[in-house]
Amino acid sequence: GAGVSQTPSNKVTEKGKYVELRCDPISGHTALYWYRQSLGQGPEFLIYFQGTGAADDSGLPNDRFFAVRPEGSVSTLKIQRTERGDSAVYLCASSLLAGASYNEQFFGPGTRLTVL
Amino acid sequence: DQQVKQNSPSLSVQEGRISILNCDYTNSMFDYFLWYKKYPAEGPTFLISISSIKDKNEDGRFTVFLNKSAKHLSLHIVPSQPGDSAVYFCAASPNSGTYKYIFGTGTRLKVLA
Repeated sequence: GAGVSQTPSNKVTEKGKYVELRCDPISGHTALYWYRQSLGQGPEFLIYFQGTGAADDSGLPNDRFFAVRPEGSVSTLKIQRTERGDSAVYLCASSLLAGASYNEQFFGPGTRLTVL
Repeated sequence: DQQVKQNSPSLSVQEGRISILNCDYTNSMFDYFLWYKKYPAEGPTFLISISSIKDKNEDGRFTVFLNKSAKHLSLHIVPSQPGDSAVYFCAASPNSGTYKYIFGTGTRLKVLA
């Protein structure tokens, strides 16, 4: 597809369960980002990948959150032992490369995670 | 501690008039600023950006103004159209090459026909 895609669009889970959220970036984009948007807030940075490696994971709230990008394209955000406070829209973005001027990030539609 | 603030959660404007959305920031290291627009059930879409070496950047109906001394930027939309109704996020980063955007909380713009 032409844009960033994310699956599923909605995920409802129970407290304590494990979830995986998937992101397909724009083809050819080497940089990939995960953000979390809680109700009434702006997107909050979680992690950034340059290629296959996590160049900056300083935004991950705790060790229950983990993300991978094994082949430098698709990324999966993994949340263990989910808590009600994890409920939010998880946004993925990609850009042609990081560290360049006017590095526009293109966002996907997000996955709305609800933890009951 | 909110480094990027959008103090107006909502704004209503008549079609054809000017919409002015405001954003304040606290970190003097920020020198690259962006505006994103977000429709319901969609991801944010890049609208316009400005580097700190400029005080104005224009793209069609959209103009962003930057006042570094006041740590304030604004987005002007002229003329406003009903299709502009969306949530607008201001974002900032320490330089144009960085990846970590700090977003404000957004302003919901409603353009009335």
